[in-house]
Amino acid sequence: GAVVSQHPSWVICKSGTSVKIECRSLDFQATTMFWYRQFPKQSLMLMATSNEGSKATYEQGVEKDKFLINHASLTLSTLTVTSAHPEDSSFYICSAKRGAGTDTQYFGPGTRLTVL
Amino acid sequence: SQQGEEDPQALSIQEGENATMNCSYKTSINNLQWYRQNSGRGLVHLILIRSNEREKHSGRLRVTLDTSKKSSSLLITASRAADTASYFCVEGGGADGLTFGKGTHLIIQP
Repeated sequence: GAVVSQHPSWVICKSGTSVKIECRSLDFQATTMFWYRQFPKQSLMLMATSNEGSKATYEQGVEKDKFLINHASLTLSTLTVTSAHPEDSSFYICSAKRGAGTDTQYFGPGTRLTVL
Repeated sequence: SQQGEEDPQALSIQEGENATMNCSYKTSINNLQWYRQNSGRGLVHLILIRSNEREKHSGRLRVTLDTSKKSSSLLITASRAADTASYFCVEGGGADGLTFGKGTHLIIQP
């Protein structure tokens, strides 16, 4: 159990367009989901924390108007990169926690975004 | 959560050998988690060890924790090519997201 999926697995888009990435917990309900970004040869950096039914909490330096997060249900969180630019090209990974009292995070397979 | 510092940054061994990587942290912890990331993939949770535990096993993995030294180690026995990956240690975040260090990049040579 504890499977997290992401869709799409990769996407190429033109500069200025918006891209939506979905993160789903397939076999459990996730009260909290997290979004990370990873640039080549670097470690994962936390972007935001997403709680079902409430506004996301963004890390310092992450533009909330550029990276829109919606956690509409206990199994789905979406990240929309608005007006994407080449510097937004990165590997975006989500994770989910089963419940408030747990520490283990289950990660999705990631989405490779390339902005031309 | 608290970021761990993995050592060495890179490790290359022959298939079948054991691989040991270490993790140090700065302040007291509730638990420590080890994750693996294969190239271009998401992370896989390997083991969580709580602050009151000293050793934990899972298959070919053995994790130790020394809270007096603020350190942990991950041992992979009888390594396989599929173990080639980056390994990260991180304190369990509770309600927070995880803070990752640079990891140990392990290469298993055939």
